[in-house]
Amino acid sequence: EVQLVESGGGFVQPGGSLRLSCVGSGLTSNTPWMSWVRQAPGEGLEWVALLNVAEGHIYYADSVKGRFTISRDISKNTLYLQMNNLRVEDTATYYCATDRGSLWGRGTTVTVSS
Amino acid sequence: DIVMTQSPLSLSVTLGQPASISCRSSQSLVFSDGDTYLNWFQQRPGQSPRRLIHQVSNRDSGVPDRFSGSGSGTDFTLKISRVEAEDVGVYYCLHTVQWPWTFGQGTKVEIK
Repeated sequence: EVQLVESGGGFVQPGGSLRLSCVGSGLTSNTPWMSWVRQAPGEGLEWVALLNVAEGHIYYADSVKGRFTISRDISKNTLYLQMNNLRVEDTATYYCATDRGSLWGRGTTVTVSS
Repeated sequence: DIVMTQSPLSLSVTLGQPASISCRSSQSLVFSDGDTYLNWFQQRPGQSPRRLIHQVSNRDSGVPDRFSGSGSGTDFTLKISRVEAEDVGVYYCLHTVQWPWTFGQGTKVEIK
């Protein structure tokens, strides 16, 4: 059974950077879609980045386009989210998820504040 | 972008009674392959979201059969036949028919 474990969250000042990781035990190259989804404190869910390995497509929400980069290292069973030029409004719990949300990790918290 | 609108936003239900949540999309969720990409998620307090239903009416593994999904085109419903205490939480619909995938605002379910 695949499990997803996120890490890399923390406290950062506006304009700073963080790299989130998601290790998926049992993930293989046959897991075609991997994503990052975030949830601001007390708010709803926002799908921020999608990596479609099968088709080689990457998609970003407008709110993070040009600042966030999703990538994957199959040899390490790991999904990444490089977050640059962070803003206060990026403060959220970040979850990784497979496919169309069939499996989620427990999340990692990012706080952007001066 | 497709806008997903849920109603009600809050629901107070007596244990053992049914509950129903509506989700409407601003455009059809039918993909070119003929499938309809509408999903339902449950988020219990302090937990990650969990998918309950995919493609309108298909229950995910381990989801109790008191949960059911229905609908077509732009109009969808999640029903809980008999609410139990463990069903407390927020329920979201999500479309995955085109990018960006978008969620509804969420419906908070509590026990009366």
